[in-house]
Amino acid sequence: DIQMTQSPSTLSASVGDRVTITCRASQSISYWLTWFQQKPGQAPKLLIYEASRLQSGVPSRFSGSRSGTEFTLTISSLQPDDFATYYCQQYNFYPWTFGQGTKVEVK
Amino acid sequence: EVQLVESGGGLVQPGGSLRLSCAASGITFVGYWMTWVRQAPGKGLEWVADIKQDGSEKHYVDSVKGRFTISRDNAKNSVYLQMNSLRGEDTAVYYCALGGSGSGSYLSGYWGQGTLVTVSS
Repeated sequence: DIQMTQSPSTLSASVGDRVTITCRASQSISYWLTWFQQKPGQAPKLLIYEASRLQSGVPSRFSGSRSGTEFTLTISSLQPDDFATYYCQQYNFYPWTFGQGTKVEVK
Repeated sequence: EVQLVESGGGLVQPGGSLRLSCAASGITFVGYWMTWVRQAPGKGLEWVADIKQDGSEKHYVDSVKGRFTISRDNAKNSVYLQMNSLRGEDTAVYYCALGGSGSGSYLSGYWGQGTLVTVSS
């Protein structure tokens, strides 16, 4: 199975900060990676698909990039609504696998 | 508006069975893969299974193979997850999600609200 290693597990930040979350795949998954945001008690929300494509309706402060097997989610200027947990997920190989999550909390 | 509504969750004893349902509306259901994802209390997301548009292709995570069966009824715009031989580690919120519309699938932006399955004596 493809292992998705996300870092950090927790990130403390302030409104206006630039935030970067990294996800590393244990082998090549091409660009078949999505990023989800999840808030307590809610279903995950799709932010980014195919590593860098912004889902319709998602603010442009969110962006995704890829360098080999390393993927990055960047929030250019953290907003109050962005405090949540973020997950990466690969869908190149079955079984699809998620990273363990990154909780973005108030500093 | 696309809506996915899960039902069928509840409390079941270890070794028992449960059938989850997910009813879709606002889409041409037969055109899409469908997926189940679960989340244990306080834990991360885990992909469980998916099924192709015509039901001809199904995939499962290893931990549920031989115990869970995904199926669909395109006439009823519904996907199901039959869960047998349930274990404590199956306790989770189960989400259904819309997949891709082509020959390959992906997790889309459309998810249900989830249904809680608790396996406990």
